[in-house]
Amino acid sequence: QVQLQESGPGLVKSSETLSLTCTVSGDSFSSYFWSWIRQPTEKGLEWIGRVYPSGSANYNPSLKSRVTMSVDTSKTQFSLKVTSVTAADTAMYYCARVGFGSVWDHFDYWGQGILVTVSP
Amino acid sequence: QTVVTQEPSFSVSPGGTVTLTCGLSSGSVSTGYYPSWYQQTPGQAPRTLIYTTNTRSSGVPDRFSGSILGNKAALTITGAQADDESDYYCVLYMGGGISVFGTGTKVTVL
Repeated sequence: QVQLQESGPGLVKSSETLSLTCTVSGDSFSSYFWSWIRQPTEKGLEWIGRVYPSGSANYNPSLKSRVTMSVDTSKTQFSLKVTSVTAADTAMYYCARVGFGSVWDHFDYWGQGILVTVSP
Repeated sequence: QTVVTQEPSFSVSPGGTVTLTCGLSSGSVSTGYYPSWYQQTPGQAPRTLIYTTNTRSSGVPDRFSGSILGNKAALTITGAQADDESDYYCVLYMGGGISVFGTGTKVTVL
């Protein structure tokens, strides 16, 4: 059974960098894409991006200028950095595994989420 | 900017059938967008229901089914139960590694 667990600071100051890590257990880490998804309170889900263990990444065009994802295969972890955060970046952040249907097209395992609040 | 649209809310009676849809602000949804569907209850992470248009994830009851209806992706709940009361999101794969979530539908069972 695949398990994902988000970790990182729950409070980030405005204009600083948000950094989160997702630790994966129970599956072949190197064979899948891994994604970050966020959800402001009482709002919908937003895809942030995905990364492959090779380091290749794709990002939401609306966030691309501020987002970087990276991978540490030795620790089976992948990470998210969002620079120059504002109150609009306050959200629950989920990490998820990208599943293969006909293409790498859906999210089949999810972490429980971590709430990140941006303070003034 | 691609917008994936869903109905804001639906109400269904216990035992009834409801069909949620997932459309594009411009253009039609086809199987080539590999639509997937997720259920989310308050305070919980999303749960995967359907992927690649109509494949049920492991453990998902067969009262949930996916399809393409006209120019939209669709999720049908047949024989709704009280614990189906949740938010439902679709995702479309746009190609090039990019996915987009729909706006979400709140389903009430009463």
